[in-house]
Amino acid sequence: DQQVKQNSPSLSVQEGRISILNCDYTNSMFDYFLWYKKYPAEGPTFLISISSIKDKNEDGRFTVFLNKSAKHLSLHIVPSQPGDSAVYFCAATPRASGTYKYIFGTGTRLKVLA
Amino acid sequence: DGGITQSPKYLFRKEGQNVTLSCEQNLNHDAMYWYRQDPGQGLRLIYYSQIVNDFQKGDIAEGYSVSREKKESFPLTVTSAQKNPTAFYLCAAKSRDSEQFFGPGTRLTVL
Repeated sequence: DQQVKQNSPSLSVQEGRISILNCDYTNSMFDYFLWYKKYPAEGPTFLISISSIKDKNEDGRFTVFLNKSAKHLSLHIVPSQPGDSAVYFCAATPRASGTYKYIFGTGTRLKVLA
Repeated sequence: DGGITQSPKYLFRKEGQNVTLSCEQNLNHDAMYWYRQDPGQGLRLIYYSQIVNDFQKGDIAEGYSVSREKKESFPLTVTSAQKNPTAFYLCAAKSRDSEQFFGPGTRLTVL
């Protein structure tokens, strides 16, 4: 039973346009959500996070939106750059429970075309 | 310069042999994790440890073992009981107030 789902395995976007990556979750106990970026043969790097008390968090070109009623979050990258080409993982955790455990989605491979 | 070291970067093993993957951190983080990445499968949790001398099974612990004798070290042993060990293995660490921080990974290939 996959608690965190990324239903689009891949996405291609033109340079300069917006990239929108989506993530759905099923566990109502999740209260903290993260996005990681991963290049081949490297470890993931943290990108941006959002707490369930917010519906938006912005950091430069990256914005994460959270819709709790729909159990859905999305990552917007504007404008997209070729260096953004990577696999993006969303993750969720029930932080209020005291656990340090994350549940990761299966990832979306973003390709930004020059 | 704080971080996580995983060694070796590439590891080859003959079928039936046990092999230990190293993970060391100098971040002073309490929690450490081992994940496995396979194509199209995302990151699957093998084991995690929130404090020294304690660890918990993740979703795919069968065929693996760990120890946490020191805060900075969390080695993973892939045993011969693991039916499909060829994968990319990632170690991570986390403190109470940080996100999980990942090491560079070890690619294990069983010949």
